[in-house]
Amino acid sequence: AQSVTQPDIHITVSEGASLELRCNYSYGATPYLFWYVQSPGQGLQLLLKYFSGDTLVQGIKGFEAEFKRSQSSFNLRKPSVHWSDAAEYFCAVAVNTGFQKLVFGTGTRLLVSP
Amino acid sequence: DTEVTQTPKHLVMGMTNKKSLKCEQHMGHRAMYWYKQKAKKPPELMFVYSYEKLSINESVPSRFSPECPNSSLLNLHLHALQPEDSALYLCASSLRVGDEQYFGPGTRLTVT
Repeated sequence: AQSVTQPDIHITVSEGASLELRCNYSYGATPYLFWYVQSPGQGLQLLLKYFSGDTLVQGIKGFEAEFKRSQSSFNLRKPSVHWSDAAEYFCAVAVNTGFQKLVFGTGTRLLVSP
Repeated sequence: DTEVTQTPKHLVMGMTNKKSLKCEQHMGHRAMYWYKQKAKKPPELMFVYSYEKLSINESVPSRFSPECPNSSLLNLHLHALQPEDSALYLCASSLRVGDEQYFGPGTRLTVT
């Protein structure tokens, strides 16, 4: 079955340090992959997406992600974290089960320390 | 206009009440979605509308009744809810099903 795994429930990063959030997917076909961010009590904001082509994709707010087919991974990175980046991050894959829908990972909560 | 709006922001209702959640987008998107999100969990898909027709119902109880009056508007009618239905209800839209989805801010629902 199609699934998305985010192995880290919580991550704490110092402000100004680099960040990498892990995402692994299980899907037979070429996946459509997404990263969303959610601040407390808010909706989800799309950070970036991968459909095809260049495996390094740039997103908003200085985020980027790299698609690695051999590792079934789509990790999110940012070179320098800001306190405002503290939020919940969800990786998602669009799967076709007769009709396309998003399957979300369980999320990673990012905490930023001063 | 690149946003999805949802009203109300907060809703408290009793188990015998009838209420509705509203979602609107003016991006020309033809797919719209309802999700339910419990605390510390990812969103769970409830319904998908494509070109104003219900395409997916993820086995949602009949006390939740979606409606898509036109391509910009999506409603979720609520009746005889249970306390466990308390959650954040998110609406999303995309150009077509399968494209990237844009989410509204959600309605925080509390059932007493």
